[in-house]
Amino acid sequence: DAMVIQNPRYQVTQFGKPVTLSCSQTLNHNVMYWYQQKSSQAPKLLFHYYDKDFNNEADTPDNFQSRRPNTSFCFLDIRSPGLGDAAMYLCATGRGGNTGELFFGEGSRLTVL
Amino acid sequence: GNSVTQMEGPVTLSEEAFLTINCTYTATGYPSLFWYVQYPGEGLQLLLKATKADDKGSNKGFEATYRKETTSFHLEKGSVQVSDSAVYFCALSGGAGGYNKLIFGAGTRLAVHP
Repeated sequence: DAMVIQNPRYQVTQFGKPVTLSCSQTLNHNVMYWYQQKSSQAPKLLFHYYDKDFNNEADTPDNFQSRRPNTSFCFLDIRSPGLGDAAMYLCATGRGGNTGELFFGEGSRLTVL
Repeated sequence: GNSVTQMEGPVTLSEEAFLTINCTYTATGYPSLFWYVQYPGEGLQLLLKATKADDKGSNKGFEATYRKETTSFHLEKGSVQVSDSAVYFCALSGGAGGYNKLIFGAGTRLAVHP
């Protein structure tokens, strides 16, 4: 059974039209992450939550926001998508600790027209 | 800052061939090192890890040894199968404050032919 579930798997939006991607987990992990993965590039961390504490990477554009209403759910909001935001968005969870494994969802692929 | 460099793909091999995918890293301190695999249509999943120098991680016939002197964590398998076709990502842990923040390489696509 899937433990990290992302919806939708595929999202098509128009330039400038807001988008929300969701992630849910059944693992009860403290930490939830959002990564952006562009074609043939390394996944890039956008931000993460440690419980309710939000941590933004320094180079994450303001256009990207996140919400974590409870332990199980985390959302990625893209306020005004541009063509450069077309990518695969990966959600991951972890227990915490520097040596721990991250558990990934299958990703949400965003297309911007 | 911390970074990971891995060999470009695609790597194309025949079944039962020997596999090496090179990975080197730059980091301050003593990070843990990981290999993740992404099969077609699926999310990333942990393949193996090593948490300190000279540790060897192994799983499903794959191995990698944490070499601090060469800052490397090369992935090897003695005999690949068609089912090993996937994208392989090398990563290091760069977090502080009790959580694991992974920094990934760009990935290496492996295609194994019968």
